[in-house]
Amino acid sequence: AQSVAQPEDQVNVAEGNPLTVKCTYSVSGNPYLFWYVQYPNRGLQFLLKYITGDNLVKGSYGFEAEFNKSQTSFHLKKPSALVSDSALYFCAVRDRGSSASKIIFGSGTRLSIRP
Amino acid sequence: DSGVTQTPKHLITATGQRVTLRCSPRSGDLSVYWYQQSLDQGLQFLIQYYNGEERAKGNILERFSAQQFPDLHSELNLSSLELGDSALYFCASSPRDIDSYEQYFGPGTRLTVT
Repeated sequence: AQSVAQPEDQVNVAEGNPLTVKCTYSVSGNPYLFWYVQYPNRGLQFLLKYITGDNLVKGSYGFEAEFNKSQTSFHLKKPSALVSDSALYFCAVRDRGSSASKIIFGSGTRLSIRP
Repeated sequence: DSGVTQTPKHLITATGQRVTLRCSPRSGDLSVYWYQQSLDQGLQFLIQYYNGEERAKGNILERFSAQQFPDLHSELNLSSLELGDSALYFCASSPRDIDSYEQYFGPGTRLTVT
């Protein structure tokens, strides 16, 4: 069975500092991995995804994520945080080996950027 | 704006009642997904339709059902409502039934059961 874990409920970072939001996953085959962001009273917005190829994926708003197969992780990173990055972030996984695969979302990490 | 629309935005109803939530996918998208977001359960995948046919089922209760119509809009029907069904219900769409595609989410319908 596939699963995804976001071990931190909340991450607090000062503006201008680098940020990392952690995600680990478990699938029986190879994964498709996604990051989404949710602002208050809004639906989720797609940030980036890993399908294959380069382990470092670049996405919207200056975010990037690194796929690490040996550690089964897909951490979201940004070199310099902005106050406007404050939101709820979700990691998601789909097992590409499953015939009727479903996307599984992590529990979410609330990112708070202080000025 | 993702291009996915959901109506109504808010819905307040009583226990035991039945409601219908509506979703229109982005233009050209054939896949529609339904999710439930609650504080204690997080974001739960309910069901997926592709071009009118059910494609995958998640943690959807038997009291809940969905369908996708020929014009590709979808409806989620919730019946015999309980207090615990109060949640934010999201619809999402993607162009194809391909796992590597990202999904585009609507703004959600907030359901309150009293």
